[in-house]
Amino acid sequence: DQQVKQNSPSLSVQEGRISILNCDYTNSMFDYFLWYKKYPAEGPTFLISISSIKDKNEDGRFTVFLNKSAKHLSLHIVPSQPGDSAVYFCAASATGNTGKLIFGQGTTLQVKP
Amino acid sequence: DGGITQSPKYLFRKEGQNVTLSCEQNLNHDAMYWYRQDPGQGLRLIYYSQIVNDFQKGDIAEGYSVSREKKESFPLTVTSAQKNPTAFYLCASSALAGARFGTQYFGPGTRLTVL
Repeated sequence: DQQVKQNSPSLSVQEGRISILNCDYTNSMFDYFLWYKKYPAEGPTFLISISSIKDKNEDGRFTVFLNKSAKHLSLHIVPSQPGDSAVYFCAASATGNTGKLIFGQGTTLQVKP
Repeated sequence: DGGITQSPKYLFRKEGQNVTLSCEQNLNHDAMYWYRQDPGQGLRLIYYSQIVNDFQKGDIAEGYSVSREKKESFPLTVTSAQKNPTAFYLCASSALAGARFGTQYFGPGTRLTVL
């Protein structure tokens, strides 16, 4: 039972355009959501997070949108840069769940120059 | 510089041998976690610990063991009972209170290959 799903294994965009990565979840108890970026053979790096009391959080080129009714979140990267090429994981947790995160399968983003 | 260190970066092991992966953090985080990543898959939780001398099984604990004798350290032993040990292993830590509660920070990982 996959509680966090990233249905697109890969995404390719042109440099300077917008990248939109999507994530769906099934557990209505999730109240904190995160995005991580991962290069091959390295540990994931925390990018941005959002609490369920918000529907948008922005940090520089990265914006995360949360649609609780649809149980859907998305990460927007504007403008996309070649250095953004990596695997992006979304993750979710529930209050009182001991800090455990449930990860999606990841989406590989390729930004072409 | 605060952070999480994992050693070694690459590890080779013969079938039937136990091997221990190191994870150390100086972030003063209470919780620590071990994940496994396989190609094309997300991160799967092996074990986690919220406090010294206590730990809980994650989703794929079979064939693994851990200890938490110090707050800073959370070593993972891959035993010979683990059927498919070749993978990329990631250690993480998080605060359990404060502004950054719930955000896990990861080490650089250890690539284990069973020959």
